[in-house]
Amino acid sequence: AQKVTQAQTEISVVEKEDVTLDCVYETRDTTYYLFWYKQPPSGELVFLIRRNSFDEQNEISGRYSWNFQKSTSSFNFTITASQVVDSAVYFCALRAVIQGAQKLVFGQGTRLTINP
Amino acid sequence: DVKVTQSSRYLVKRTGEKVFLECVQDMDHENMFWYRQDPGLGLRLIYFSYDVKMKEKGDIPEGYSVSREKKERFSLILESASTNQTSMYLCASSPLSSKQYFGPGTRLTVT
Repeated sequence: AQKVTQAQTEISVVEKEDVTLDCVYETRDTTYYLFWYKQPPSGELVFLIRRNSFDEQNEISGRYSWNFQKSTSSFNFTITASQVVDSAVYFCALRAVIQGAQKLVFGQGTRLTINP
Repeated sequence: DVKVTQSSRYLVKRTGEKVFLECVQDMDHENMFWYRQDPGLGLRLIYFSYDVKMKEKGDIPEGYSVSREKKERFSLILESASTNQTSMYLCASSPLSSKQYFGPGTRLTVT
């Protein structure tokens, strides 16, 4: 089965704290892609990162970093020195082949609130 | 910039009405998708299309149909709207084997 689990439904922190959003996935595919999307209050999903299954290097982009570990089937997302503008719902997703076609399977989302 | 537009941001319809949600993308993408988003459930795929006049069922197609007569336009149709179809509907498009670009969403309320 192809599945993505984001166990944290809601997280609330004070500005400037670091925060990690967890993502655990299940797939039988040997080749797959993992994604993170951000959904601000405006509603539109914004692409953050794509990682393929052969590349386990961690990635850092400004205050954002991602830790991909195949051994634990996890693809966690950390925001360092959080800011109020980081408040959003964050989705982790897995691109998998289902019924012969490529589809995105989304986690339930984590609502992140950064308080001033 | 890739642009995916949806015909309405907010829509209120009555039970039993036929509802059309339109999605247009301007980047000549092959793939287009319709999702619904509900609290605690994330995004669930309703239908997708890999080419003109081609459609595939997603995870929750019941009560919905789609139409893709032109490459840039993918329509979601609720044949007879019901209250359990009150939701946020998100359209997305992508080139082959690439990330998806999402529209702003349509919040549909069925009363």
